[in-house]
Amino acid sequence: DAKTTQPPSMDCAEGRAANLPCNHSTISGNEYVYWYRQIHSQGPQYIIHGLKNNETNEMASLIITEDRKSSTLILPHATLRDTAVYYCIVRGANPGSARQLTFGSGTQLTVLP
Amino acid sequence: DTAVSQTPKYLVTQMGNDKSIKCEQNLGHDTMYWYKQDSKKFLKIMFSYNNKELIINETVPNRFSPKSPDKAHLNLHINSLELGDSAVYFCASSHIHRRENSPLHFGNGTRLTVT
Repeated sequence: DAKTTQPPSMDCAEGRAANLPCNHSTISGNEYVYWYRQIHSQGPQYIIHGLKNNETNEMASLIITEDRKSSTLILPHATLRDTAVYYCIVRGANPGSARQLTFGSGTQLTVLP
Repeated sequence: DTAVSQTPKYLVTQMGNDKSIKCEQNLGHDTMYWYKQDSKKFLKIMFSYNNKELIINETVPNRFSPKSPDKAHLNLHINSLELGDSAVYFCASSHIHRRENSPLHFGNGTRLTVT
């Protein structure tokens, strides 16, 4: 199972872009990169995922390096409500890959007013 | 219109008791999961059911027994509760029979406190 490495914490000024990095150097060819976040006392919330192309949705953008060994989640205009723990995980498409869905410690993003 | 709902939200009980946590999803997903989040905030997968069939059973004491009466429900029964079982338990669901797994949808958790 591919493992991920994230910085434990980051700060970002409100209104600015938040760029959250994730290293997944052992990712294999059929594994996707997923990002979730957990706001205090709530269940994790899906943000975005991708295989090798950059992805964008209404919440964020995901930039995956060409070698796929790292990725960056971008929140273009961070708000105070984006303060949360952000988790990066990698996972394959087969049913057994759900084992890979054990989340690490993630990155605590604090958006400052 | 909660997609994944768990009950109860809080559960306080004494050591040695037996308790159950219920989970229901209305997303039409074919796979459901139970996760445990401990005091260090790690989210660890415990069980996964696909179409009512157990597909993942991580190293969990056999005091924990999941039951899936149908695809939309996955309940967690815990026997002889111990202090170390205190944690937040999350239910989740996804659709697994596709080219890529759909993202997980989580409930809001059940905070279990064993005294």
